[in-house]
Amino acid sequence: KQEVTQIPAALSVPEGENLVLNCSFTDSAIYNLQWFRQDPGKGLTSLLLIQSSQREQTSGRLNASLDKSSGRSTLYIAASQPGDSATYLCAKTQGGSEKLVFGKGTKLTVNP
Amino acid sequence: GAGVSQSPSNKVTEKGKDVELRCDPISGHTALYWYRQSLGQGLEFLIYFQGNSAPDKSGLPSDRFSAERTGGSVSTLTIQRTQQEDSAVYLCASSFMWRNQPQHFGDGTRLSIL
Repeated sequence: KQEVTQIPAALSVPEGENLVLNCSFTDSAIYNLQWFRQDPGKGLTSLLLIQSSQREQTSGRLNASLDKSSGRSTLYIAASQPGDSATYLCAKTQGGSEKLVFGKGTKLTVNP
Repeated sequence: GAGVSQSPSNKVTEKGKDVELRCDPISGHTALYWYRQSLGQGLEFLIYFQGNSAPDKSGLPSDRFSAERTGGSVSTLTIQRTQQEDSAVYLCASSFMWRNQPQHFGDGTRLSIL
């Protein structure tokens, strides 16, 4: 069973466009939600972490939101750049455990 | 270095051999995690160490897999009698022990079983 779902699996946009990546989860007993980016052949880089008591977090051109009632999180990227091209993964933890449960990611390509 | 360090970066071995993968966490991080990333399954949790507590081994796929953490720092993941389905990227992460701390990942070990 897929507890964390990311749609679409791939997204291609022109440079400068604002975009939203989606993450949905089946269990509302979420503790926190973390967004990562992964470049080819590399590990994961932590972007933002939203605690269950929070609704959003911002870092530079990135804004992540969390809606527990609907089981959704979004990652908003403003004024996209070719350097933003990567796979973006969301992951949740649930109460009582620190282990992350990951979605399969959205591969983003920003075209110059 | 400032980040999580994993070695080797690549490992190719024959089916049936044992392998050891190493993870050196960020200094001061008392929590350490192992995950596996494969094409069909995505990223899966394997095992989690937190301070002196008993590790959470609930993600280990079989008894061929084991891990230890010596001195609360470096960790070794061991796979015995490797099988082709063990081929994957093995990622290590670490974090501070308090709740709501982000996990920081190494670049992983790419394991290929021939």
